Amino acid sequence: GAGVSQSPSNKVTEKGKDVELRCDPISGHTALYWYRQSLGQGLEFLIYFQGNSAPDKSGLPSDRFSAERTGGSVSTLTIQRTQQEDSAVYLCASSLQSSGGYEQYFGPGTRLTVT
Amino acid sequence: GQNIDQPTEMTATEGAIVQINCTYQTSGFNGLFWYQQHAGEAPTFLSYNVLDGLEEKGRFSSFLSRSKGYSYLLLKELQMKDSASYLCAVRGGNDYKLSFGAGTTVTVRA
Repeated sequence: GAGVSQSPSNKVTEKGKDVELRCDPISGHTALYWYRQSLGQGLEFLIYFQGNSAPDKSGLPSDRFSAERTGGSVSTLTIQRTQQEDSAVYLCASSLQSSGGYEQYFGPGTRLTVT
Repeated sequence: GQNIDQPTEMTATEGAIVQINCTYQTSGFNGLFWYQQHAGEAPTFLSYNVLDGLEEKGRFSSFLSRSKGYSYLLLKELQMKDSASYLCAVRGGNDYKLSFGAGTTVTVRA
């Protein structure tokens, strides 16, 4: 079956522009996560969805970042007024359940470069 | 907050064994995961430990000691394709969120 997909794979944008990153999780996975990975850094948690609701937005770095999930499936991460420090690989992951030994399946990521 | 520590880099020879250590200090504990990440690719799941002891899966084994806040990933009979970054991740007390270490880059030499 299909894995987690993300689009675009690469995005170059000018400072100050808005960007939208898309994640299609594995069908039937109720839990969805967004992470950010900067060069040489570990994965930084951004936000977690259970179904369509986001019980934990604590990792969003600023109010320029927002995310939504519709129909318990596709999720969009939006970054407004991008800054150079937003440059990173944005990874999406989904899992069947959020607890226990259920692993998170990662998408290939979106590499965002803000010039 | 959560603190996950693992070495930055390790080098080993093809056919040898390498042990990647991970120590953690977290608010609560609900499991530890190891992921493999090849350069430019997504992390892929390797192992999960929630009880103390050793979990063996082919050439890879993972160990956990909850009292010591310690885990290791053991890679045996190293192959060139094992050259990758290995990520230690801990699920804390909230039971859904993973906190990741910075990763250990393993280089396998012929």
